[in-house]
Amino acid sequence: GAVVSQHPSWVICKSGTSVKIECRSLDFQATTMFWYRQFPKQSLMLMATSNEGSKATYEQGVEKDKFLINHASLTLSTLTVTSAHPEDSSFYICSASGTSASTSTDTQYFGPGTRLTVL
Amino acid sequence: GNSVTQMEGPVTLSEEAFLTINCTYTATGYPSLFWYVQYPGEGLQLLLKATKADDKGSNKGFEATYRKETTSFHLEKGSVQVSDSAVYFCALRTGGGNKLTFGTGTQLKVEL
Repeated sequence: GAVVSQHPSWVICKSGTSVKIECRSLDFQATTMFWYRQFPKQSLMLMATSNEGSKATYEQGVEKDKFLINHASLTLSTLTVTSAHPEDSSFYICSASGTSASTSTDTQYFGPGTRLTVL
Repeated sequence: GNSVTQMEGPVTLSEEAFLTINCTYTATGYPSLFWYVQYPGEGLQLLLKATKADDKGSNKGFEATYRKETTSFHLEKGSVQVSDSAVYFCALRTGGGNKLTFGTGTQLKVEL
């Protein structure tokens, strides 16, 4: 139990285009989802926290108009990188927490990540 | 602010060797401490945790003790296996929320 998937696993796009990344909780209802960004040999940096049906809370320094987060259902959150540029190239990871027979609200369950390359 | 410092990798060991991955932290208040493991192609998985000083977290032969006096949470295993090859992340959480602060991760390679 407690499986989180991400789609796509990798994406290459041209500068100026927008890219959407999906994060799904497959076997539990995710009341909270988190989006992280990871640069090579660096730690995971929290970008934003979203609760189902509410606007996301962004960390300081993260542009909310550039990184649009939608958490419209208890099993799906999306991150859209708008007008992507090469400096947005990174590894994006989502996680989810919620309650079920096999999960607890104080534990985050992570997706496998999405590699974004902007040319 | 909160921060986590881990030893740089990669760490390369022979099978059955003893493993230590160092982790120290800086935090306001009294954090909970975690070790996550990421196997190739998979998401991070919680390996073990400790919520107060002197607690020992353990799982799958791995152990870590919450040392408040040295602000450390070093990960140890007495005999590693090839299947333990992965990236290990130390993390902390403070307050009542669920926000985690991660270290940079340490890659472990175990060879026959």
